[in-house]
Amino acid sequence: SQKIEQNSEALNIQEGKTATLTCNYTNYSPAYLQWYRQDPGRGPVFLLLIRENEKEKRKERLKVTFDTTLKQSLFHITASQPADSATYLCALGQTGANNLFFGTGTRLTVIP
Amino acid sequence: DAGVIQSPRHEVTEMGQEVTLRCKPISGHDYLFWYRQTMMRGLELLIYFNNNVPIDDSGMPEDRFSAKMPNASFSTLKIQPSEPRDSAVYFCASSHRLAGLYEQYFGPGTRLTVT
Repeated sequence: SQKIEQNSEALNIQEGKTATLTCNYTNYSPAYLQWYRQDPGRGPVFLLLIRENEKEKRKERLKVTFDTTLKQSLFHITASQPADSATYLCALGQTGANNLFFGTGTRLTVIP
Repeated sequence: DAGVIQSPRHEVTEMGQEVTLRCKPISGHDYLFWYRQTMMRGLELLIYFNNNVPIDDSGMPEDRFSAKMPNASFSTLKIQPSEPRDSAVYFCASSHRLAGLYEQYFGPGTRLTVT
């Protein structure tokens, strides 16, 4: 059966360090992968999209990698700040379809 | 733009009652999605529409759930009769298929509690 797993439910990290979140999938062949941020009491907010033919994507302090052989995406936040504390969700999409399949999320806490 | 608008933000109802959740997508977006989020199951897609037409409703848990999109600016998700296990946060999201980018814009959600 199809499964999307994010490395852990919760991750604590010291301010200034790089946070690395993992998204692993099985029985999918995604054409692209997205990362969203969700704050308590709010809906997810889109951060980055990476396509299957792209190895890496960057946006300011964010970096996403996509390895279709390992069936894994890594999401990095460099120079982390307490304001980065939130839940981060990965989502997989397939060619020709506009729906997404979401992972369960990782709750990141950046400690001052 | 005001973003995706959902109402009500909170709904508390008794088991057996009918519940209607409402969504106004972002103007110009041609896709609309309904999701349900719980601690146990995460964010699950229930149904999505393209140009007001339901495309995939395979995520709708059972016949008690129904969704409509009578026009491009309004959609409803109805649960009748409601059960305690329907308690969750329900999100509506919209998107526009532009240059291959399928970013979804989410509303603030409706927190449903069925007692």
